[in-house]
Formats: sequence, structure tokens, C-alpha cells
Amino acid sequence: VQLLESGGGLVQPGGSLRLSCAASGFTFRSYAMHWVRQAPGKGPDWLSFISYDGSNKKYVASVMGRFTISRDSSKNTLYLEMNSLRPEDTAVYFCVRGGMYDDYAYFDYWGQGTLVTVSS
Amino acid sequence: DIQLTQSPSFLSASVGDRVTITCRASQGISSYLAWYQQKPGKAPKLLIYAASTLQSGVPSRFSGSGSGTEFTLTISSLQPEDFATYYCQQLNSYPSVTFGQGTKVEIK
Repeated sequence: VQLLESGGGLVQPGGSLRLSCAASGFTFRSYAMHWVRQAPGKGPDWLSFISYDGSNKKYVASVMGRFTISRDSSKNTLYLEMNSLRPEDTAVYFCVRGGMYDDYAYFDYWGQGTLVTVSS
Repeated sequence: DIQLTQSPSFLSASVGDRVTITCRASQGISSYLAWYQQKPGKAPKLLIYAASTLQSGVPSRFSGSGSGTEFTLTISSLQPEDFATYYCQQLNSYPSVTFGQGTKVEIK
């Protein structure tokens, strides 16, 4: 199993960014996926979930309405569209494999993370 | 939202020491709890799930216990590679999950 995030970088407050997570080594279309972020010196924070078929999406309150999770199973890729970015969104963003179909699952596979810095 | 509180936040210990970290949940979460180890610049690594089940490949010196609202992670004999930050995580409200604030284990 490999998860490879990309798309991070420096963005000004109010700006937008789209993160990608390329998945390999497992049947991507059969698994739910998550985004988790970790601000410098802090613990991980769960951000968002998408079901295996994309029909169910969940968000933490702090990003609802600003972030959108999506997936393209033909490309084995997970996305996170981030708008109206704030300095407090500065963090390393990880994609994490979820459970198979509708099962819950502990977070056993993580990507290496991509750094997003929101600053003027 | 379910809050997780870890104690201590910081722990100084020597190689060979027995180390115990506690995680308390703000409400009952049955056994839907995991422990992760994180080293600088790396993603968290799953150590224990379902409160007490050792993840494949994790050394047997790690163990977990508890249910309901109080949980512990024990390292029976601390090794040099165990110096890291440890996080608990609850999955009772999956897919929305929460993590504890972390316990940093440093060399005395």
C-alpha cells in the first residue's frame, strides 16, 4: 500500500489549494479514505472522510463549507479542495486509508504528508 | 464531540524503564481506541487497536488496556527506538475520529 500526497505549498490568506493523494497497492475503489492534518508541534486532527463510492462525505466543523473532499477511482486518486484558507490551516496534510466498503477501520496506512503554509 | 486527554504530556525515562501513558475519554467509547507512535517528520504509526490488540509487526513490549473511558499504553522495557510522541485515537464516532494531544517520551 502506498499513498503519495502532492499539491502543498505557500498560499496567501483567502487563497485556494488542491491537494492530491495517489493511491497504489490496493483496490482503491473498495476503500473509504480520510484527510488528517497536523499543525506544527500539535497532534493530528481528522478533517474529512469520503466513502468508498463517494456517496458519503463528512467534515470537521472548522473546515465545513471551505474544504471539499472528492475521489476519482479511475485515477486511484483522492483530492482535497481547500478554499478561503486561513493561517490556522497551516499544517502537514496526510491522506489515510479507511475501511473496506462500509466498515470502520483504524488508520493503518498513511501518506508521507504534504505541507501547506498559509501566510502573507 | 468526544475529547481525549492524555497524561502525562511529557515523560522523561531511561532505556529499560517501564512506561505507562494514560488516555481518558470524555464519554464512554467501549474499546474503540487506538495508539500511535510518531517520530519527527514521519506519519503516525499504528501500534495498538481495539484498545489492546497489537498491530502486526509491533514489538510485544507494547501493550494496551482499558475500556469505556480510561485506557493505558504500556512499554514494558523502553528501547532507544521508542523515544517518540504517542497519541491515542477514538473511533467510537467513526468516521469522525479524534486524537489525544500527545505524550512525548524523551531520554532521561
